[in-house]
Amino acid sequence: DGGITQSPKYLFRKEGQNVTLSCEQNLNHDAMYWYRQDPGQGLRLIYYSQIVNDFQKGDIAEGYSVSREKKESFPLTVTSAQKNPTAFYLCASSIAKRYEQYFGPGTRLTVT
Amino acid sequence: KNQVEQSPQSLIILEGKNCTLQCNYTVSPFSNLRWYKQDTGRGPVSLTIMTFSENTKSNGRYTATLDADTKQSSLHITASQLSDSASYICVVSAFGGDDKIIFGKGTRLHILP
Repeated sequence: DGGITQSPKYLFRKEGQNVTLSCEQNLNHDAMYWYRQDPGQGLRLIYYSQIVNDFQKGDIAEGYSVSREKKESFPLTVTSAQKNPTAFYLCASSIAKRYEQYFGPGTRLTVT
Repeated sequence: KNQVEQSPQSLIILEGKNCTLQCNYTVSPFSNLRWYKQDTGRGPVSLTIMTFSENTKSNGRYTATLDADTKQSSLHITASQLSDSASYICVVSAFGGDDKIIFGKGTRLHILP
């Protein structure tokens, strides 16, 4: 059963705590991405990775960090430096950057 | 500046009716254009992907068109169903050093019974 998974679906944290969102894919895709979605706005790119052990900042990388130690996994850490972390986070993967992206089900993070 | 503009922002139609969503872009150099459907609280799902040479592509009741000269695309939904209620997102990719991907803000479609 191929696909891209994210966990957990809902996450609640206190302000000041770091939190890590999981993203796993078994599609054998080289490229993986993290997006943030806020109400009434388009998806905004946080980080992307085109190959293992390499990743680049997207448009809104401040306050976030990622790692790509395995092809299948691309976890996102939301640090306490992120001023407005409450949002819906989407992970995606593709064969390469210009090709069709497959999205995970998303994680809704609420920080209070 | 690379931009993708979608209209209308939201749309309400009765079940069984047809509708058309618009996407205008200024992305250059153009690589491909994709339409995604996103149900509330879920990840987007791809409907169609079109390259420069493709004018029309269908996926069941969904038909996308592309006019690369005017940089416009439309998504036509035929005989709408309640399950079509969702956001529809237009995404354009640009060739380049880092292959930019630009997302529109989406059209929110509500189908009424």
